[in-house]
Amino acid sequence: AQSVTQLDSHVSVSEGTPVLLRCNYSSSYSPSLFWYVQHPNKGLQLLLKYTSAATLVKGINGFEAEFKKSETSFHLTKPSAHMSDAAEYFCVVTSYNQGGKLIFGQGTELSVKP
Amino acid sequence: EADIYQTPRYLVIGTGKKITLECSQTMGHDKMYWYQQDPGMELHLIHYSYGVNSTEKGDLSSESTVSRIRTEHFPLTLESARPSHTSQYLCASSESEPIDGTDTQYFGPGTRLTVL
Repeated sequence: AQSVTQLDSHVSVSEGTPVLLRCNYSSSYSPSLFWYVQHPNKGLQLLLKYTSAATLVKGINGFEAEFKKSETSFHLTKPSAHMSDAAEYFCVVTSYNQGGKLIFGQGTELSVKP
Repeated sequence: EADIYQTPRYLVIGTGKKITLECSQTMGHDKMYWYQQDPGMELHLIHYSYGVNSTEKGDLSSESTVSRIRTEHFPLTLESARPSHTSQYLCASSESEPIDGTDTQYFGPGTRLTVL
């Protein structure tokens, strides 16, 4: 069985400060993990993905995430928040035997204050 | 440019009407998916397809139906819309990575449906 838990439903940061969005997963198989971002009234955009290569994954717009198997975590970080980062972020888990189906976390809403 | 398209982007319709939400992709992907998403909530898979003439129900029960007659096209139909169908519907497509067999899904912009 697979599941994913996003530990914060809402995170608020000031522009220029670091961003940390937390995600823990559970998987009976070697997981593939993703972070997607959704801006208001838009579809989901892939930020980055981990598929058993390097544990530190760099994505678009300065975001990165580190896969920590011992902690079953895949937290998303960015050194300096920008106003345009304000959006909903989804952590997602799957594995090779899921036929392409994804398991979504509940989402974390990121607010960025000027 | 390879992409995934959904039309209409917004639809307001009365109860009892039949509607079809369109989804097309130009990426040549075999797999396609429909998700339902209520405001501020996670996505729930309602239908998926692994190729032409293949359709399956997802994890969330839905009164909608889908068809896959062409690889690039995966429309979703509601025979009789009800207010409970008000939601955002997102379409996605994917193909398996040759190295490890996992898929990366790419999403369309979504259709926001309101049934009065």
